[in-house]
Amino acid sequence: AQSVTQLGSHVSVSEGALVLLRCNYSSSVPPYLFWYVQYPNQGLQLLLKYTTGATLVKGINGFEAEFKKSETSFHLTKPSAHMSDAAEYFCAVRSGTYKYIFGTGTRLKVLA
Amino acid sequence: DVKVTQSSRYLVKRTGEKVFLECVQDMDHENMFWYRQDPGLGLRLIYFSYDVKMKEKGDIPEGYSVSREKKERFSLILESASTNQTSMYLCASSLGKRTGGRNTEAFFGQGTRLTVV
Repeated sequence: AQSVTQLGSHVSVSEGALVLLRCNYSSSVPPYLFWYVQYPNQGLQLLLKYTTGATLVKGINGFEAEFKKSETSFHLTKPSAHMSDAAEYFCAVRSGTYKYIFGTGTRLKVLA
Repeated sequence: DVKVTQSSRYLVKRTGEKVFLECVQDMDHENMFWYRQDPGLGLRLIYFSYDVKMKEKGDIPEGYSVSREKKERFSLILESASTNQTSMYLCASSLGKRTGGRNTEAFFGQGTRLTVV
């Protein structure tokens, strides 16, 4: 069975500091991997995705993630945090043609 | 832009009421989903549908049913609302067929925050 683990339900960083949100997955087939962001009382918005090809994926708002098959990881990074990055972030894996498995989320707090 | 529209942003219902949550997508997607989101639990799949009139149970289907009479519309029904169904409900849609790595993501609606009193 596929699963997603996000380490750290809450992460705090200072404005301008590196953001690192961790995601590990398990999958018996080559995975499609996603990061979504959710602002308060909103739906989920796609940040970036890995399907095939280049393992370093760039997304919106300066975020990127690297697919590491040997480590079964897909960590999300941003070189310099901005106050507007404060939100909840979800890692997900797509199973087969339709099911998506989500992690439990990481709430990012950005300190002034 | 893909649009997934949920009929209500906020709902307050009484215990025992029958509740309908409606979701419409405009991109001709085969797959549609209903998730429930609770703090610390992430998104949990209630039901999904991969075609008109087709449905499959997700991880937490108890107390819920769904209807998909048209491709663009997927309804979640709480037969008899209870206070433990107070939650954020998220609808999503995605393409069903394999697209060679393109268009693989799910698109989400804005969510319906349901309170059962």
